[in-house]
Amino acid sequence: EPEVTQTPSHQVTQMGQEVILRCVPISNHLYFYWYRQILGQKVEFLVSFYNNEISEKSEIFDDQFSVERPDGSNFTLKIRSTKLEDSAMYFCASALGRQNQPQHFGDGTRLSIL
Amino acid sequence: DAKTTQPNSMESNEEEPVHLPCNHSTISGTDYIHWYRQLPSQGPEYVIHGLTSNVNNRMASLAIAEDRKSSTLILHRATLRDAAVYYCILRDIEANNLFFGTGTRLTVIP
Repeated sequence: EPEVTQTPSHQVTQMGQEVILRCVPISNHLYFYWYRQILGQKVEFLVSFYNNEISEKSEIFDDQFSVERPDGSNFTLKIRSTKLEDSAMYFCASALGRQNQPQHFGDGTRLSIL
Repeated sequence: DAKTTQPNSMESNEEEPVHLPCNHSTISGTDYIHWYRQLPSQGPEYVIHGLTSNVNNRMASLAIAEDRKSSTLILHRATLRDAAVYYCILRDIEANNLFFGTGTRLTVIP
């Protein structure tokens, strides 16, 4: 069964540095998402992406964050000037369509900011 | 998105059925009921969804009350691999994203 894959599985970064989290969605999917989960807390929506542009974003997704689909397979989340509170699990998801299509999640990247 | 209420935790014996309840008294007519689960150290995983009628798939069954104010996810025969946090999520037909609550942590006892 096709899977969403995320790399790296664990990223350790100094505060203030930039980090790029990578995702390979399922190949025929058209909708892409990033969520995050701070340790012990809920899974939170960050951003959705369709047709090479952001379709929706949450309040968390401020100017520090950006997303890109640089080629036909990868979907990336860039976090600039990382802060301690950016430490979390970041999950990528993809879906075939929008309306009531299941979202398929990767196993996440654990981001640790020191 | 409308709010759902789930018990914080439940236990089940292995190989027995499990009924995970969810209350959603403020559900609107265009809200679908989605269930996801999150196994330890993994991302969320889609389980099942429905609107009004009961639904079955290879993973589980979803029983929806006639007034749609509550639903129950049924695992017919719990295995150790079913130990996870189960999330009941209301998702409007036009909604793009998912809003996760705190879910129900299911422990399966061997």
